[in-house]
Amino acid sequence: AQKVTQTQTSISVMEKTTVTMDCVYETQDSSYFLFWYKQTASGEIVFLIRQDSYKKENATVGHYSLNFQKPKSSIGLIITATQIEDSAVYFCAMRANYGNEKITFGAGTKLTIKP
Amino acid sequence: GGIITQTPKFLIGQEGQKLTLKCQQNFNHDTMYWYRQDSGKGLRLIYYSITENDLQKGDLSEGYDASREKKSSFSLTVTSAQKNEMAVFLCASSILGQGTLYFGAGTRLSVL
Repeated sequence: AQKVTQTQTSISVMEKTTVTMDCVYETQDSSYFLFWYKQTASGEIVFLIRQDSYKKENATVGHYSLNFQKPKSSIGLIITATQIEDSAVYFCAMRANYGNEKITFGAGTKLTIKP
Repeated sequence: GGIITQTPKFLIGQEGQKLTLKCQQNFNHDTMYWYRQDSGKGLRLIYYSITENDLQKGDLSEGYDASREKKSSFSLTVTSAQKNEMAVFLCASSILGQGTLYFGAGTRLSVL
């Protein structure tokens, strides 16, 4: 069984700073895929970034990057130079190995960016 | 680009009623998903389908049925609505094996 845990319920930071959101996961599979999604105040959910477990390099997309620590089963999301519009709820998710399309989400972290 | 359309946007039901939610996607994706989101909570997987006529139970399938009669559509039925139940039901799709989800806008359910 796979499980995703986000322990930070909410975070508040000043604009233009860097923030890290934590996520730990559990899986029996040796190969898996990790994702971060953003849910805006309107309810829209969009994909941000993914990390394939077999890749050692941390994924980076724009001002989003990941801190993948496989031995700790941890995948942190780092947002640099935060902007007001980064205020949202961020979800971590995982999909197990090939052949299993089940995708499990964490409870989410609400990020507030203060001007 | 494509779009996922969920209908209805709002659904008000009575306790014990059977309620059906519909989802259509024009991405031509193989895999489709139904998630439930309670206020301020995460997404819990109800059902998913990897192809037409395939159904896989998620972690929250009890009390729900699903149907995938066409590749482009995926329906979810609440078999017996619970009094005071309020949640948003989210449909998503993905390319088979890829895992990146595209979400619809959701159906907000309220049960009186």
